[in-house]
Amino acid sequence: NAGVTQTPKFQVLKTGQSMTLQCAQDMNHEYMSWYRQDPGMGLRLIHYSVGAGITDQGEVPNGYNVSRSTTEDFPLRLLSAAPSQTSVYFCASRRGQGGAYEQYFGPGTRLTVT
Amino acid sequence: GNSVTQMEGPVTLSEEAFLTINCTYTATGYPSLFWYVQYPGEGLQLLLKATKADDKGSNKGFEATYRKETTSFHLEKGSVQVSDSAVYFCALDNGQNFVFGPGTRLSVLP
Repeated sequence: NAGVTQTPKFQVLKTGQSMTLQCAQDMNHEYMSWYRQDPGMGLRLIHYSVGAGITDQGEVPNGYNVSRSTTEDFPLRLLSAAPSQTSVYFCASRRGQGGAYEQYFGPGTRLTVT
Repeated sequence: GNSVTQMEGPVTLSEEAFLTINCTYTATGYPSLFWYVQYPGEGLQLLLKATKADDKGSNKGFEATYRKETTSFHLEKGSVQVSDSAVYFCALDNGQNFVFGPGTRLSVLP
């Protein structure tokens, strides 16, 4: 199993540009989520999905869109990048909600918006 | 709401020293509690977990006990190694989503 994979590993954008961060998992997990990691703030939930076709907002959803057309893939879209979106982004998956299911994290995407 | 508070560090220790990283939480009900570790340039990986009061999670010499009366889940290790240098995150699962603390950076010097 590859686990959770993310691409790209690094990205530099100019303000106003758009891009999609890719996330895929091969563990047949229903629950997937996107976090951003900023210094001193831990991980903050952006969006999550409890299954194909179902998504919901987390703590900091503004400026980001998601979709879940398959169980395996959960892309994160930045429609118009802003410097405040400079961060490290992590995708995670787990078997389900609750039940003490652990989350499995991808290696992260470091995004810089200039 | 749900929240996790942990000592932010950085924490610097000599090899073989005793480690404690404090974690307290606020939550409705009885969440599951986790410690995750992040090595430089990597994603987070599960270190240990506990699902109910008085449970003790343990892994790689690290331990943490779920204390309902003090709403705490402190991480301990009796003798740290240089290879334990990393950022440690305390987290709770409220049944819907995870809530993470800010992370504690640990540096272990030889």
